[in-house]
Amino acid sequence: DVVLTQTPPTLSATIGQSVSISCRSSQSLLHSNGNTYLHWLLQRPGQSPQLLIYLVSRLESGVPNRFSGSGSGTDFTLKISGVEAEDLGVYYCVQGTHAPYTFGAGTKLELK
Amino acid sequence: QVQLTESGPGLVHPSETLSLTCTVSGFSLTGYSVYWVRQPSGKGLEWMGRMRYNGDTSYNSALKSRLSISRDTSKNQVFLKMNSLQTDDTGTYYCTRGPIFAYWGQGTLVTVSS
Repeated sequence: DVVLTQTPPTLSATIGQSVSISCRSSQSLLHSNGNTYLHWLLQRPGQSPQLLIYLVSRLESGVPNRFSGSGSGTDFTLKISGVEAEDLGVYYCVQGTHAPYTFGAGTKLELK
Repeated sequence: QVQLTESGPGLVHPSETLSLTCTVSGFSLTGYSVYWVRQPSGKGLEWMGRMRYNGDTSYNSALKSRLSISRDTSKNQVFLKMNSLQTDDTGTYYCTRGPIFAYWGQGTLVTVSS
């Protein structure tokens, strides 16, 4: 099974600070159809996860453009350009290229 | 609009079988896959398995001996059955729409306890 290694496990940030989260895969996430099914989710306390970024870098509708995703193959990054209070929670990367699909362990974003 | 709603018993006794239903609206089960994801309290997300749009299934390697996913397209429902439940199966169970996890249900809390 594909292992996704997310770092750091915890991130402390001030409002307005830019931060990045890394997600590294144990194998390439490039699908035979040419898509890379690596997505980023945010789970706020007490809520269901919500999609932020899909297919590495595509911004989900309604998600602020301070969120961006990049990467290819086995190395991926989520960047938040100017953290806001509503961004606090746990971020997960998830791969949908190789079944069984797998999640990263999560990165908790806290206020410093 | 797209909606997914999980339903189930809430409390299951150890060694018994869990049965959950995901009822969907706003899309067809023959056009989109549905995944089951669970989350032990205070822990991370775990992908359990999927019902593909064509009826095929795939399962988490660690759960596949206990897990079965099926569907009734006429009722817009996807079912999860998992046997031999233990206390570490306690948590919130979600269904979500594939292929990009764009829509999620509110989750249903399952407690395994005698």
